[in-house]
Amino acid sequence: NAGVTQTPKFQVLKTGQSMTLQCAQDMNHNSMYWYRQDPGMGLRLIYYSASEGTTDKGEVPNGYNVSRLNKREFSLRLESAAPSQTSVYFCASSLTGLEAFFGQGTRLTVV
Amino acid sequence: GQSLEQPSEVTAVEGAIVQINCTYQTSGFYGLSWYQQHDGGAPTFLSYNALDGLEETGRFSSFLSRSDSYGYLLLQELQMKDSASYFCAVPDTGRRALTFGSGTRLQVQP
Repeated sequence: NAGVTQTPKFQVLKTGQSMTLQCAQDMNHNSMYWYRQDPGMGLRLIYYSASEGTTDKGEVPNGYNVSRLNKREFSLRLESAAPSQTSVYFCASSLTGLEAFFGQGTRLTVV
Repeated sequence: GQSLEQPSEVTAVEGAIVQINCTYQTSGFYGLSWYQQHDGGAPTFLSYNALDGLEETGRFSSFLSRSDSYGYLLLQELQMKDSASYFCAVPDTGRRALTFGSGTRLQVQP
């Protein structure tokens, strides 16, 4: 039982490049989330999906897009990476919306 | 929207008890949850309270007072491995998204 799996774990991009962060969960959870965490900071919500087929903007959605491909998978895309998007990205899922289970994170550096 | 306040840092000694407070503002309340994050790691879910009172899980307990919009995480018999950041979180109306506090960094000293 893998829980929440994110790929890749590390990535370096040049400014202007694009990439997609992948996330999959095997817990049959309805809700999935993407957060970013900057050094010494809390978790800020980028986008979330309360159920398959729906996505909504969180606190910091600019520069990102998401796709809820099916109940298991929720991807995050950076169309044109900027240095301000250097961060650690966490995917999470929840059954009830009261607790969240996180993937191991993607450490992204944009140079 | 939702907002949460936590102290930024707490220091305690091994074997002691420490309390990490969280006050919240939310338009609809469903519960308060707690997470632990070690440096370089991912947040891990510890507990949540939907009703007033104390919930105990081993050395960790969590308390909620809905009338005061306040909760705390209590860590007993502190160990060095408890050094980590602790976050409280509340869901939005409809429990669609979780908003996290900025976190409390706990340093356990020998």
